[in-house]
Amino acid sequence: EPEVTQTPSHQVTQMGQEVILRCVPISNHLYFYWYRQILGQKVEFLVSFYNNEISEKSEIFDDQFSVERPDGSNFTLKIRSTKLEDSAMYFCASSESSANTGELFFGEGSRLTVL
Amino acid sequence: KQEVTQIPAALSVPEGENLVLNCSFTDSAIYNLQWFRQDPGKGLTSLLLIQSSQREQTSGRLNASLDKSSGRSTLYIAASQPGDSATYLCAVTGYKLSFGAGTTVTVRA
Repeated sequence: EPEVTQTPSHQVTQMGQEVILRCVPISNHLYFYWYRQILGQKVEFLVSFYNNEISEKSEIFDDQFSVERPDGSNFTLKIRSTKLEDSAMYFCASSESSANTGELFFGEGSRLTVL
Repeated sequence: KQEVTQIPAALSVPEGENLVLNCSFTDSAIYNLQWFRQDPGKGLTSLLLIQSSQREQTSGRLNASLDKSSGRSTLYIAASQPGDSATYLCAVTGYKLSFGAGTTVTVRA
């Protein structure tokens, strides 16, 4: 069964360092998303991406964050200068149609620990 | 702003009992509602998607209902098994998914 894959599964970094989280969405999906879940809290929307551009972003997704689809398969989330409060599980998701109508499929997540 | 609430926060039942998980949302102008399962430290597994025009959706032992006008959805899991132990999340869409905090289920053997 097709699945969303994410790497790395766990990354530990020092505050102020840049981090890139990688995702391979399901191959025929057109819409891509990043969500995050701080330990013990709700899953929160970060950004949605369609047709090589951001379609929506939350207030969490500030200038420290960026997303990119560098080739036909990968979808990345970059955090330029990590802060302690960026420690969370980051989930990539994809859907065949927009989040309005389509079912979202999530990856296993990348756990980011900022020291 | 959409607020999604799930009650109870935790539930413990003996094996074989039916599970009833509740989800409520404040803005009835949704496109769809999706139920997920999350195992500890793991990702989100989609269980059921209900379009706003639908009233229920079934998959095996799972049945989810949706009452959009009252802002409620219920997930029923029949004949629970220890393997059903997990956190169950509901999420509703406007332009993005808004998640509830989840109900953590423990099924005792």
